[in-house]
Amino acid sequence: DAKTTQPNSMESNEEEPVHLPCNHSTISGTDYIHWYRQLPSQGPEYVIHGLTSNVNNRMASLAIAEDRKSSTLILHRATLRDAAVYYCILREWSGGSNYKLTFGKGTLLTVNP
Amino acid sequence: ETGVTQSPTHLIKTRGQQVTLRCSSQSGHNTVSWYQQALGQGPQFIFQYYREEENGRGNFPPRFSGLQFPNYSSELNVNALELDDSALYLCASSLAGARAGELFFGEGSRLTVL
Repeated sequence: DAKTTQPNSMESNEEEPVHLPCNHSTISGTDYIHWYRQLPSQGPEYVIHGLTSNVNNRMASLAIAEDRKSSTLILHRATLRDAAVYYCILREWSGGSNYKLTFGKGTLLTVNP
Repeated sequence: ETGVTQSPTHLIKTRGQQVTLRCSSQSGHNTVSWYQQALGQGPQFIFQYYREEENGRGNFPPRFSGLQFPNYSSELNVNALELDDSALYLCASSLAGARAGELFFGEGSRLTVL
């Protein structure tokens, strides 16, 4: 299984940017980089995904290193509602419709008011 | 609101019993996957169904089995329950295809095995 490495926890202040790092040195050419977050007592929620180029959406930005061995999720202005566990995941594809997500333990983000 | 609904939300079973968990996919999604999340851990992939056939499986024993129905809803069955099966079971639906993006997760079924 493709592996990712993330810090166990990070802390931020409200309305400040947050950069959540992820290492994935064993990534293969067909693996997409996905980020999900999970609030307490809820299922994971999709945040963003990318393959090679940096990506932006309404929730966040994803910066992918040129060698694809690391990436950074950027929350431009953290709010209290962004406090969650953030998972960096490699979406492995083995042909056809066969793919899976392998979750690690994620990064627990605390946002201080 | 993701549109993925799971039932029941909570249940308690005893060792050796069998359990069936149900998932209704988001409208239009033809792929469903199941995950087990133990307390304090990330979700672990159990298996995935596409067009009513299992097309991917994680490191779970055969007593974990599933079904996908023509309307793309799904069931997870666990036989001979063990204490370690206590966990949150998550269902996720998506559109098939290598370039498909996000998975939509339900809020899960919390199983306690006594």
